[in-house]
Amino acid sequence: AQTVTQSQPEMSVQEAETVTLSCTYDTSENNYYLFWYKQPPSRQMILVIRQEAYKQQNATENRFSVNFQKAAKSFSLKISDSQLGDTAMYFCAFMKGSARQLTFGSGTQLTVLP
Amino acid sequence: NAGVTQTPKFQVLKTGQSMTLQCAQDMNHEYMSWYRQDPGMGLRLIHYSVGAGITDQGEVPNGYNVSRSTTEDFPLRLLSAAPSQTSVYFCASRAPGQTFDEQFFGPGTRLTVL
Repeated sequence: AQTVTQSQPEMSVQEAETVTLSCTYDTSENNYYLFWYKQPPSRQMILVIRQEAYKQQNATENRFSVNFQKAAKSFSLKISDSQLGDTAMYFCAFMKGSARQLTFGSGTQLTVLP
Repeated sequence: NAGVTQTPKFQVLKTGQSMTLQCAQDMNHEYMSWYRQDPGMGLRLIHYSVGAGITDQGEVPNGYNVSRSTTEDFPLRLLSAAPSQTSVYFCASRAPGQTFDEQFFGPGTRLTVL
């Protein structure tokens, strides 16, 4: 079974600064996908960024980028130029290639301070 | 295109009562799932379905039943509610056949069992 660990329950960052959220995972699979989801106070789950394990290049989506270290089984999320609207719970998630469901970490509550 | 819809948004039950959480999607997705979200634990998979007439158990299936008579609908039934089932419930759907497709989440149902 896969496990996903987010060791930072809470983090804060000043507006316009950069913050990095950590995620590690454990799997014996070679074909898998990794995701970061954002959950604002509205509770809606929003996909932020995704990474295919076979790709060495780190994914980037505007201000969001990942540092994917496959050997270390690490998948951190970097948010640049933090905005107040980035305040949310962030979940790291894993999906093995043959599966249809996600395994989630416990989440990191990020607060962007004005 | 409404995406994934869930009803009700909030519900309070007494121990032993039964109810059905509704989930519907209009994207013709074959894969649908139910997750529960508890504080400090992220989202955990309850049941999932890979198509009409096919369902399977996830990580925490006890106390819940599902059925999938149509592609659009995937209701979750609590036969005899217990306080341990107090949680936020999310339904999600996903299109098959794509390597890197996204799961779409509904807005969630907050259930309290007294």
